Amino acid sequence: SQQGEEDPQALSIQEGENATMNCSYKTSINNLQWYRQNSGRGLVHLILIRSNEREKHSGRLRVTLDTSKKSSSLLITASRAADTASYFCSPAQGGSEKLVFGKGTKLTVNP
Amino acid sequence: GAVVSQHPSRVICKSGTSVKIECRSLDFQATTMFWYRQFPKQSLMLMATSNEGSKATYEQGVEKDKFLINHASLTLSTLTVTSAHPEDSSFYICSAPAQGQDGYTFGSGTRLTVV
Repeated sequence: SQQGEEDPQALSIQEGENATMNCSYKTSINNLQWYRQNSGRGLVHLILIRSNEREKHSGRLRVTLDTSKKSSSLLITASRAADTASYFCSPAQGGSEKLVFGKGTKLTVNP
Repeated sequence: GAVVSQHPSRVICKSGTSVKIECRSLDFQATTMFWYRQFPKQSLMLMATSNEGSKATYEQGVEKDKFLINHASLTLSTLTVTSAHPEDSSFYICSAPAQGQDGYTFGSGTRLTVV
């Protein structure tokens, strides 16, 4: 298992704006997963992108994956105050491996 | 979707006592459960992996005699913090691979405060 490194560590935007956060990793992967954690809660799975995919959408979320650069990005469009949370990426080899997490990106969406 | 129910959500205990945290998979069988600890403003730190019917695997630096993990059935994994001390105060979270869907499902966490 490997840890992803999220960037930036903190991001503050106004409601309605888009939020982009990035994730870098070191070794080849089978998939990369993004999670959200609201304060004092467990993590919620947002989206999984496989190594043979370049882009994936889910509602207001858009995830890209560039395996040549070993990086991924998560774009949240038309942000809402409820999107305020920490976001984590987790590069994975597949199967039921253990997931490890970096420091995450703390997103604050101001109303 | 797959749900992991974690209890209790909050617990306060005295130094020297033991606390048990339960994670139940409600609508799927969790052969594997991961246990994490999270200190304030920090990321999740993986503590151990429990597997149904076998001994848990602990990460380096985690005391297996202090953090007892039991995975007695395909739907229940427990973490017992033994002889708790104030430095064990933390947020504990469990997670399991979600059958039939992408990603892993997490419990809602347990806030442990040792006084």
